[in-house]
Amino acid sequence: AQKVTQAQTEISVVEKEDVTLDCVYETRDTTYYLFWYKQPPSGELVFLIRRNSFDEQNEISGRYSWNFQKSTSSFNFTITASQVVDSAVYFCALKSPLYNQGGKLIFGQGTELSVKP
Amino acid sequence: SQTIHQWPATLVQPVGSPLSLECTVEGTSNPNLYWYRQAAGRGLQLLFYSVGIGQISSEVPQNLSASRPQDRQFILSSKKLLLSDSGFYLCAWSFGPSQSTDTQYFGPGTRLTVL
Repeated sequence: AQKVTQAQTEISVVEKEDVTLDCVYETRDTTYYLFWYKQPPSGELVFLIRRNSFDEQNEISGRYSWNFQKSTSSFNFTITASQVVDSAVYFCALKSPLYNQGGKLIFGQGTELSVKP
Repeated sequence: SQTIHQWPATLVQPVGSPLSLECTVEGTSNPNLYWYRQAAGRGLQLLFYSVGIGQISSEVPQNLSASRPQDRQFILSSKKLLLSDSGFYLCAWSFGPSQSTDTQYFGPGTRLTVL
């Protein structure tokens, strides 16, 4: 079965601190995709990144960085120098190709990040 | 560029009343379309997905149904709402079957309260 675990339910930091959101996944597929989404208070899920299972290269985008490690089945997300606008619920998600399971996203339960000024 | 719309944004309905939520996508053809529900506990659950007009797959048995009358229109319906149908409903799209592993992009959502 496929599963995504975000063990951190809530995280609170002070502005300018670095923060890492953990994501651990389970799948038997050899080809899969991992995602991070941000859900601000408005509710809309905003796509942040997609990573293919065959590409373990870490990625940096501005203050955001992602660490993908197949050996530990983890796809962690780090925000450097956090800002108040980063306050949101962050979801990690796993997806199999469409022909396997309809292409549905398996979401973790989300981590609510609160950045205080 | 592609955009996705959902309406209404919020809805308050009595138990036993019908429901119709609409989702439309612009700027692409033959998208895959999805309906998710997010309950108060935060988890997101896939309800339905569609790979083409009239093709609907259901993930969870319930009193909801979905239809796709046009290529870029996806409708979520119920004949009689239950209290447990309350939640935040999100529509999403991705590029069609030729790129079936692509990213899902979400609409603004509809917040449904059943009283």
